[in-house]
Amino acid sequence: DGGITQSPKYLFRKEGQNVTLSCEQNLNHDAMYWYRQDPGQGLRLIYYSQIVNDFQKGDIAEGYSVSREKKESFPLTVTSAQKNPTAFYLCASSGPGQGRKNIQYFGAGTRLSVL
Amino acid sequence: ILNVEQSPQSLHVQEGDSTNFTCSFPSSNFYALHWYRWETAKSPEALFVMTLNGDEKKKGRISATLNTKEGYSYLYIKGSQPEDSATYLCAFDYGGATNKLIFGTGTLLAVQP
Repeated sequence: DGGITQSPKYLFRKEGQNVTLSCEQNLNHDAMYWYRQDPGQGLRLIYYSQIVNDFQKGDIAEGYSVSREKKESFPLTVTSAQKNPTAFYLCASSGPGQGRKNIQYFGAGTRLSVL
Repeated sequence: ILNVEQSPQSLHVQEGDSTNFTCSFPSSNFYALHWYRWETAKSPEALFVMTLNGDEKKKGRISATLNTKEGYSYLYIKGSQPEDSATYLCAFDYGGATNKLIFGTGTLLAVQP
């Protein structure tokens, strides 16, 4: 089945630890995105990538890092510099075949908690 | 700063009721308005993308309208069913080169059987 796979579903981080959230897509989409959701807030953009080997900071990039070495993969690392990492993280992609509709397709999310 | 607002924040209705909620967005630099449905424990899924002032879209019992001049969109659900229970998100596309969407906070709909 075509889609976006995020793993793990739940993740726990210890103080001072870096953790990496996985996002893989087999939709052949060029663009991929990472969002964070906190209670009472909309999805906020952390990082996005429009093409392999290129990515841009979103609105809340501090304390996060990404890489885009392959078209299908866009992992997000939550570093120890992110002081409030507890949140729900969503990955999305969008790509050709939609004209300029820019519909985004989402994974099921990863819930990150701090121990 | 581009701001997208949705109201109400949550809504509880009885099965069979019809309901509607609102998305407000900037009326300048408009390119498209998206609606997504996000059921619990699932991924958000696109419902509609609207680009033209006066657009109306329909999918089954769900429909949406768009007013770009005043910066709002309505989502209507006719005869709500328990399976309609979800968070409904709208997202504003201002047509920049980066394909970014600005999401609202969502409306949580609970339909009681």
